[in-house]
Amino acid sequence: AAGVIQSPRHLIKEKRETATLKCYPIPRHDTVYWYQQGPGQDPQFLISFYEKMQSDKGSIPDRFSAQQFSDYHSELNMSSLELGDSALYFCASSRRNTEAFFGQGTRLTVV
Amino acid sequence: KNQVEQSPQSLIILEGKNCTLQCNYTVSPFSNLRWYKQDTGRGPVSLTIMTFSENTKSNGRYTATLDADTKQSSLHITASQLSDSASYICVVSAAGTASKLTFGTGTRLQVTL
Repeated sequence: AAGVIQSPRHLIKEKRETATLKCYPIPRHDTVYWYQQGPGQDPQFLISFYEKMQSDKGSIPDRFSAQQFSDYHSELNMSSLELGDSALYFCASSRRNTEAFFGQGTRLTVV
Repeated sequence: KNQVEQSPQSLIILEGKNCTLQCNYTVSPFSNLRWYKQDTGRGPVSLTIMTFSENTKSNGRYTATLDADTKQSSLHITASQLSDSASYICVVSAAGTASKLTFGTGTRLQVTL
């Protein structure tokens, strides 16, 4: 069965650079969530989209932006990267408020 | 404020033994509760999802219970295996939001020989 695909799996960036993370939801899923998980921490909700519109916003820094495209894939754009942005970034998808399935995550390292 | 608390924070058990993990939540209005297994550095993998009307659900050696009145859930693992070593996260969804999930603090389980 198709799962949530995230790319890239690993990313290394320097401070003040920009990064773009991509998420391809399970087919026919209309909701995408983005989470940030620091080392040894709980996942922190960043932002979600339902039917290509932002549906909820969490602790997403102003330096980050995201959108969901017509094919339902989503991108998380991160600018002016800081060392503290180093984390696992998870994307999850679901059909409305049913079970969410997570991708394998993108490990971002800012050096 | 919506919160999800889990206990114990960590647990070490011998292979073959059973264990039970607890989850208490204050999320309201309640929509559903999910248990996920997360291996280190990997994405959470769904074990079960339970709605208001369900009070028990099994997935192989995993059995989840839900008491919507007391806002408590448990995840029982039977005949543990070394591969069960992971973090187990309780996630609760509030009705009406269509999105945001509230994550529990997780229980780190280690199964040893």
